[in-house]
Amino acid sequence: QQQVKQSPQSLIVQKGGIPIINCAYENTAFDYFPWYQQFPGKGPALLIAIRPDVSEKKEGRFTISFNKSAKQFSLHIMDSQPGDSATYFCADEMIKAAGNKLTFGGGTRVLVKP
Amino acid sequence: DGGITQSPKYLFRKEGQNVTLSCEQNLNHDAMYWYRQDPGQGLRLIYYSQIVNDFQKGDIAEGYSVSREKKESFPLTVTSAQKNPTAFYLCASSMPHRRTAPNTGELFFGEGSRLTVL
Repeated sequence: QQQVKQSPQSLIVQKGGIPIINCAYENTAFDYFPWYQQFPGKGPALLIAIRPDVSEKKEGRFTISFNKSAKQFSLHIMDSQPGDSATYFCADEMIKAAGNKLTFGGGTRVLVKP
Repeated sequence: DGGITQSPKYLFRKEGQNVTLSCEQNLNHDAMYWYRQDPGQGLRLIYYSQIVNDFQKGDIAEGYSVSREKKESFPLTVTSAQKNPTAFYLCASSMPHRRTAPNTGELFFGEGSRLTVL
């Protein structure tokens, strides 16, 4: 079963709009919350990540907001471009002595129209 | 170039047959993973290995088997016991993510293998 609930499943915005993807987690023991971006026919690639002791992180046009008390985090894509059209996955990660284990959300397909 | 190579890219199988998907990495990563991707279900972990000759079951290991005889290689066998094997399979590798280490434990994925059972 999924430990990370991701919504929405799909999203369509106009160029310049701000798609927002939300994720909710259950286990407060998670150490790290990465986002991965996947283009059609390719494997996912790390986009941006945040630790739970930080409330916001920005990298270029991508921002993660983290709400520890609500056990939620979200990805915002500022000034979205057609090249941002992809599937986005949130994940939670537990770092253990035996190794880290990631659990992914269900994914959000984002389409940015020109 | 360093990276993860998965083969074959497309594979068709008849019911009752075992198939093996290849995954090779030249990134000198210790850990390797197999994920299964189905529409709307994200990426689900099948097996992972942190070190040669050792591996652990993920969330959906039933009907699958793996081996890790070399650091660079982590093949996945989809057995006839897997009830619904048609899916997109992704292999990944990473360095161990430690709380005090500078690396992020980033997963590097291959381009995937699409298996279709006829």
